[in-house]
Amino acid sequence: DVKVTQSSRYLVKRTGEKVFLECVQDMDHENMFWYRQDPGLGLRLIYFSYDVKMKEKGDIPEGYSVSREKKERFSLILESASTNQTSMYLCASGNRGRYEQYFGPGTRLTVT
Amino acid sequence: SQQGEEDPQALSIQEGENATMNCSYKTSINNLQWYRQNSGRGLVHLILIRSNEREKHSGRLRVTLDTSKKSSSLLITASRAADTASYFCATAGGTSYGKLTFGQGTILTVHP
Repeated sequence: DVKVTQSSRYLVKRTGEKVFLECVQDMDHENMFWYRQDPGLGLRLIYFSYDVKMKEKGDIPEGYSVSREKKERFSLILESASTNQTSMYLCASGNRGRYEQYFGPGTRLTVT
Repeated sequence: SQQGEEDPQALSIQEGENATMNCSYKTSINNLQWYRQNSGRGLVHLILIRSNEREKHSGRLRVTLDTSKKSSSLLITASRAADTASYFCATAGGTSYGKLTFGQGTILTVHP
């Protein structure tokens, strides 16, 4: 079974802090994705990566950056957390040329 | 941007009844997928239908796709309390990156 793990289920940070969210997949997938999920807005793509050290902006990249130094790991970075970044963050991975995505359990981030 | 729009936003039925959810989208697609999300968890892939397919079955799930109307429906037959979840449609445009655009979801409640 594909396994996608995220570093924390719940996280509470202060405004202005730098926040790292880690995602690891064990299926050698080329593609990895970061989404945020908010009530009434569904899932919105923040960034994705199709190879090591490669990244592409999604629909809402402002205030975020990403890092992919190893194939299995994709990190989402909030450079200076703000209260409007309070959300559920979901990581996913998938094979190149295929479209199914496999999701982690999510990190519920609260910025106070 | 959100392409998929699910309808209804919420659906409440009794165990044993069928549940139908609809999804509309705006641009041409390579495929359309449905995912399930149990409360506060990650998404689980249910089924994928390609743009040249009209209907697909998987267990108690039946998905239809009408590309002329840019719409899809998900039918869950003989629903169970364990089917209670949010259901999302997601569209893929066709790049090898596997990028998906998700709708806002339908919340399904199945009463025992």
